[in-house]
Amino acid sequence: DGGITQSPKYLFRKEGQNVTLSCEQNLNHDAMYWYRQDPGQGLRLIYYSQIVNDFQKGDIAEGYSVSREKKESFPLTVTSAQKNPTAFYLCASSTYGTGPSGELFFGEGSRLTVL
Amino acid sequence: AQKVTQAQTEISVVEKEDVTLDCVYETRDTTYYLFWYKQPPSGELVFLIRRNSFDEQNEISGRYSWNFQKSTSSFNFTITASQVVDSAVYFCVAYSSNTGKLIFGQGTTLQVKP
Repeated sequence: DGGITQSPKYLFRKEGQNVTLSCEQNLNHDAMYWYRQDPGQGLRLIYYSQIVNDFQKGDIAEGYSVSREKKESFPLTVTSAQKNPTAFYLCASSTYGTGPSGELFFGEGSRLTVL
Repeated sequence: AQKVTQAQTEISVVEKEDVTLDCVYETRDTTYYLFWYKQPPSGELVFLIRRNSFDEQNEISGRYSWNFQKSTSSFNFTITASQVVDSAVYFCVAYSSNTGKLIFGQGTTLQVKP
């Protein structure tokens, strides 16, 4: 079945460690996104990529990094510079941009807890 | 500034009741899109509907209906005869054609009790 796979589903990290969250899609979508969700808040955009080897910062990119070496994959690294990394992270994809099409397809998320 | 407000943080209803989730948006764009997404306990958001700013026609899909009124900048979502499976967080989202970004509301948690 086509969709988006995020792993791991749960992740615990010690302070000072970098962690990488995986996001893979087999929908042949050009655009991919990383969102952060905190309790009682809407989703906030971290990074997005509209084509391979290109990505743009979202609203809260500080302390995060991404790569887009393959169309199917858009991993997110939460670095030690991210001051409050405990959150629920959602990866999404869509056909080019979120304009006329608009529909985003989401993975089931990764919950990161910093101990 | 672009903003989406979902004033209802949590709603609790008993099965078979009708429930309306409110959404008010702010935008200076003449062209924009509005969406509703459902986030069940499994975590992934599921697309429900998209509306563009030129189409104020209300829509019904099964037990779901949407009321889009530009005059009040609202895009409300009604579930008729609610079911336990409707329990989820619902997000109202606006797309700005100027910024190319999605603006999420804070979400409304709906609990449907049997």
